[in-house]
Amino acid sequence: AQSVTQLGSHVSVSEGALVLLRCNYSSSVPPYLFWYVQYPNQGLQLLLKYTSAATLVKGINGFEAEFKKSETSFHLTKPSAHMSDAAEYFCAVSRTGGFKTIFGAGTRLFVKA
Amino acid sequence: SQTIHQWPATLVQPVGSPLSLECTVEGTSNPNLYWYRQAAGRGLQLLFYSVGIGQISSEVPQNLSASRPQDRQFILSSKKLLLSDSGFYLCAWREATGASSYEQYFGPGTRLTVT
Repeated sequence: AQSVTQLGSHVSVSEGALVLLRCNYSSSVPPYLFWYVQYPNQGLQLLLKYTSAATLVKGINGFEAEFKKSETSFHLTKPSAHMSDAAEYFCAVSRTGGFKTIFGAGTRLFVKA
Repeated sequence: SQTIHQWPATLVQPVGSPLSLECTVEGTSNPNLYWYRQAAGRGLQLLFYSVGIGQISSEVPQNLSASRPQDRQFILSSKKLLLSDSGFYLCAWREATGASSYEQYFGPGTRLTVT
């Protein structure tokens, strides 16, 4: 069975500071991993995905994530937070041949001026 | 390119009334389709998914049902709404299993308030 754990339901950073959102996964087979962003009253938007190619994945809006198999982690980072990054972020896992994607509980990012 | 539509965007319905939410996808064929619900301050709950016309898998037994009458149309229904059905309903699609990538693409959502 697959699962996703996002550490911290709320994260607050100052504008210009590093953003680090943590995600750990559990999967008995090589996973596909994703980060999504959701702004209020909108659907989820794909930020980036890992599909067993490069372990460092770059996404939209300056975000990137690194797949670390030994740590079963897929943390999301951005060097410098912007006010427009304030949103909810979801980590997700899927697998080859699977129909479903398992989503974490989400982390709400607050950006302080 | 592919697009996904949901309507209505918002809906206020009394308890005991019926429900019909519609989702359509353009620009792809034979997609996997999904219905999720987000209760206030909660994560995503998978309600139904479909891998083809007329093929529906239910994840949560409740007073909701889903149908897929056409390849790119997915409908969420209820005969009698409960207060607990309030939430943000999201439709999503993904390439069929066996494709090269597994990401899901989400519609804009429907905000349902049951009063």
